[in-house]
Amino acid sequence: DGGITQSPKYLFRKEGQNVTLSCEQNLNHDAMYWYRQDPGQGLRLIYYSQIVNDFQKGDIAEGYSVSREKKESFPLTVTSAQKNPTAFYLCASSLLDRNQPQHFGDGTRLSIL
Amino acid sequence: SQQGEEDPQALSIQEGENATMNCSYKTSINNLQWYRQNSGRGLVHLILIRSNEREKHSGRLRVTLDTSKKSSSLLITASRAADTASYFCATSTSSRLTFGEGTQLTVNP
Repeated sequence: DGGITQSPKYLFRKEGQNVTLSCEQNLNHDAMYWYRQDPGQGLRLIYYSQIVNDFQKGDIAEGYSVSREKKESFPLTVTSAQKNPTAFYLCASSLLDRNQPQHFGDGTRLSIL
Repeated sequence: SQQGEEDPQALSIQEGENATMNCSYKTSINNLQWYRQNSGRGLVHLILIRSNEREKHSGRLRVTLDTSKKSSSLLITASRAADTASYFCATSTSSRLTFGEGTQLTVNP
């Protein structure tokens, strides 16, 4: 079954700690995206990548980092520089054709301990 | 930057009624997409309408797009309790989507 898998579903971060959220897709999509969603809000773009070994900052990249070493994988690291990391994080992927939709994982909920 | 704005923010209706949600945006777009999100889950794509299209149907969904007014509407006909969810519009420009803040739809049985 093709799709996007995010793990873990829930994650807790201690003060000063970096944490990494996993996103894997087997849809053979070139483009992958990370979004942040706060309660009752829409999605804000953190980073996106259209090709392996390349990625671009979105609207709220500060305090986050990503890598794209494989087409299937796009992990997001929430660094200690992100002072308000508590949110729901969503990963998506799509074909490069802009008239194709994005496919989403089921999210990771990150909280501060 | 928030491109799309949905209206209303929340909508509560009875099963069998129609639900209409509106989306306004500010800049030129390639297409406009509607997504659905059940509580605590990821988004599911519902329908995509290109900038040169005016109306599109998919099952009980009807989407309209008015590029002169920079607005779109999503109509769900004969609603069901299972339609309860948040609905988001997203505008496509260059290589990314920009999402609105969503409409929370509650369909009461």
